[in-house]
Amino acid sequence: QKEVEQNSGPLSVPEGAIASLNCTYSDRGSQSFFWYRQYSGKSPELIMSIYSNGDKEDGRFTAQLNKASQYVSLLIRDSQPSDSATYLCAVDSGWGGGNKLTFGTGTQLKVEL
Amino acid sequence: SAVISQKPSRDICQRGTSLTIQCQVDSQVTMMFWYRQQPGQSLTLIATANQGSEATYESGFVIDKFPISRPNLTFSTLTVSNMSPEDSSIYLCSVEFLAGENEQYFGPGTRLTVT
Repeated sequence: QKEVEQNSGPLSVPEGAIASLNCTYSDRGSQSFFWYRQYSGKSPELIMSIYSNGDKEDGRFTAQLNKASQYVSLLIRDSQPSDSATYLCAVDSGWGGGNKLTFGTGTQLKVEL
Repeated sequence: SAVISQKPSRDICQRGTSLTIQCQVDSQVTMMFWYRQQPGQSLTLIATANQGSEATYESGFVIDKFPISRPNLTFSTLTVSNMSPEDSSIYLCSVEFLAGENEQYFGPGTRLTVT
């Protein structure tokens, strides 16, 4: 059973702080890793994808991948109240798994004024 | 950017009936998927919609309960058959635009309530 694990939260951070969201996965063959943001009552929105070890930055977001540790994280700098949402980690199904993604249960982020 | 639409956006249905959900994309896509998201939970893949052939279902989901069509590269339907209250959920289609990158983009979802 391929698993993607996230802390459910809520993770509370003050406005302007760095929010750090973490995800671990079980399938060593996974090659593609994604972070989605989901506002309450809305569908998931892709915000970051990462395929290689190291960091990938896009605006206030940085995704970090460590395949040896089977760990992927998302940093949100200068957190804003509008960042308050549930963040879903998704991982591909690895070798022979085709294009399927497995989603974690999500971490709820609350950015407080 | 491409637009992914779903119809209906929500519906309330009686037990034992069926509902067909449509997913339409305004450009051609390589892959289409159907997910279910039950209240307070994450996404569960129902099936991969294959163009011109039978869908590929995940464990726990069967064609008789969730028949899927994908007649072309921009359109797919999911039918929820013989509904029970346990089928109350949000149903989402997702698409991939580029082969090999696995980036999936979601439609707005269909909120289904079965009474």
